[in-house]
Amino acid sequence: RKEVEQDPGPFNVPEGATVAFNCTYSNSASQSFFWYRQDCRKEPKLLMSVYSSGNEDGRFTAQLNRASQYISLLIRDSKLSDSATYLCVVIPYNQGGKLIFGQGTELSVKP
Amino acid sequence: EAQVTQNPRYLITVTGKKLTVTCSQNMNHEYMSWYRQDPGLGLRQIYYSMNVEVTDKGDVPEGYKVSRKEKRNFPLILESPSPNQTSLYFCASSSSDRFSYEQYFGPGTRLTVT
Repeated sequence: RKEVEQDPGPFNVPEGATVAFNCTYSNSASQSFFWYRQDCRKEPKLLMSVYSSGNEDGRFTAQLNRASQYISLLIRDSKLSDSATYLCVVIPYNQGGKLIFGQGTELSVKP
Repeated sequence: EAQVTQNPRYLITVTGKKLTVTCSQNMNHEYMSWYRQDPGLGLRQIYYSMNVEVTDKGDVPEGYKVSRKEKRNFPLILESPSPNQTSLYFCASSSSDRFSYEQYFGPGTRLTVT
């Protein structure tokens, strides 16, 4: 089993739709969680951190469920510009400086 | 402008010919890291460095070397490249508190080994 798993998609949704991605992790000692966005093989860029209490940034909401060991990203009112690959990142506290990426979920927003 | 630079951006080489991919950051970051990205596998960490002269293996270190003699530079060395090292490589840096701060990525180096 991979340490961090994501549904690779692609998710094809119309503009204005709400879409949700999940990311599961296997190491219960994981400490920090992030969502990154990557456009067409360009460099990943931070979208948002994921806090225990859940957090929101405009149309984006991130949540953490430690009991079930997953994080989620919800995108409301999808825009064409949201089309990208979304990567979840997990940092375990007991593995030195390692960062573990999921394989990414591809989102395509259509007009 | 705060940035991470990588060179070269594109490289085609032959099996066994030693190469170095440079990575430099101008943000005075302590933490630097190398990743490779392959279809269906996502980003996998090759090596990371917590500070000058401190390096450690990530998940896929075989066939690679790194060094961290200066804070700003973290070159990736392939002593004897093989075709299975054909990939897209990213360098990244962050402040020492990597649990809280974002990783800044370079633009990537697309390497083809024939």
